[in-house]
Amino acid sequence: EAGVAQSPRYKIIEKRQSVAFWCNPISGHATLYWYQQILGQGPKLLIQFQNNGVVDDSQLPKDRFSAERLKGVDSTLKIQPAKLEDSAVYLCASSQGMGLDTQYFGPGTRLTVL
Amino acid sequence: AQSVTQLDSHVSVSEGTPVLLRCNYSSSYSPSLFWYVQHPNKGLQLLLKYTSAATLVKGINGFEAEFKKSETSFHLTKPSAHMSDAAEYFCVDMAAGNKLTFGGGTRVLVKP
Repeated sequence: EAGVAQSPRYKIIEKRQSVAFWCNPISGHATLYWYQQILGQGPKLLIQFQNNGVVDDSQLPKDRFSAERLKGVDSTLKIQPAKLEDSAVYLCASSQGMGLDTQYFGPGTRLTVL
Repeated sequence: AQSVTQLDSHVSVSEGTPVLLRCNYSSSYSPSLFWYVQHPNKGLQLLLKYTSAATLVKGINGFEAEFKKSETSFHLTKPSAHMSDAAEYFCVDMAAGNKLTFGGGTRVLVKP
């Protein structure tokens, strides 16, 4: 079974530029999550989708971050404009549902903002 | 709100000796607890999970964890460390709606 796929694996941009990350969850998984992991910290949930609907985006900085999962499968996370403090690893995860289901994580995208 | 505290940010062990990673949680309800491992440049991998069944949980790669409600702890152990165990380990609490709260992580160094 294929795991969670993410691209790109690495991205370097300058502040005020925009960037987008892509995630393809495990086939059949209805729930998709985006996390931000700053160096030396545990991951923090940014947004959670159930199919193509948003379940929780309370921690998403909506003035600069946006995410979509239009067809209920793959998802895109965008940052516009980027700030220095956005440098982090962005992790995507998926689970079958929302009932204490195990989350499976992708390899992440390491973003460096200069 | 729930929180997870990993008591050691770094642990250094010699190969072949026991590993102990300490975790305390603060859920007021019956928690669902996990340990994940993160190797460099790789995604988080589930080691084991506790969901109110047996208090001693066995996971992959020889790891196990014991849930102690009286101590609000969920410590991770392995009898004999291997070089491949060098990684970062996260203790995680899951709330309703599959919401995960991560501890700060413990980085394990294994010396030959």
